[in-house]
Amino acid sequence: AQTVTQSQPEMSVQEAETVTLSCTYDTSESDYYLFWYKQPPSRQMILVIRQEAYKQQNATENRFSVNFQKAAKSFSLKISDSQLGDAAMYFCAFYSGGSNYKLTFGKGTLLTVNP
Amino acid sequence: DTEVTQTPKHLVMGMTNKKSLKCEQHMGHRAMYWYKQKAKKPPELMFVYSYEKLSINESVPSRFSPECPNSSLLNLHLHALQPEDSALYLCASSLEGAGVQEKLFFGSGTQLSVL
Repeated sequence: AQTVTQSQPEMSVQEAETVTLSCTYDTSESDYYLFWYKQPPSRQMILVIRQEAYKQQNATENRFSVNFQKAAKSFSLKISDSQLGDAAMYFCAFYSGGSNYKLTFGKGTLLTVNP
Repeated sequence: DTEVTQTPKHLVMGMTNKKSLKCEQHMGHRAMYWYKQKAKKPPELMFVYSYEKLSINESVPSRFSPECPNSSLLNLHLHALQPEDSALYLCASSLEGAGVQEKLFFGSGTQLSVL
């Protein structure tokens, strides 16, 4: 069974600075997908970024980028130029494909952005 | 329209009540999901509908009864709930075929309190 571990229950960052959220996972699969979802106080889960395991290039979406280390089974999220609107719970998630629709989520990291 | 709309946003019910949660999307997605989320925890998958047929039931108690009347609408019927069922109930949708490995679109949830 797959597991996803987020070792930082809470993080804080000053506005305009950079923060990195950690995620490690365990799987025996070779082909899978990794995600970071954001849940702000509005409660709506929003996809921030996704990574396909077969791609060596790290995914980027504007101020958000990942450091994907497949051998180490690590998938960290870097947020550059942090903004107040980035304050949210961030969930790392794993999906190994097939007919199973189930995402495996980590426990989440609560990010606070200080003005 | 890239929204998943959930109603009501808040619901308080007694243990003998019958109520329903509603979820609607008009993106042409053919996979729809119900998740349950306790405070400061990740979402837990409850049900998946694919092409209006129940594909996955994650061993959810029968006091939760899902229904998919058409491709745009997903209901969750509630009856004889327990206080421990109090949680945020999230609906999500995705393109069938592309599905979970691409992106889940989430609604803002219904915050349910069972007294």
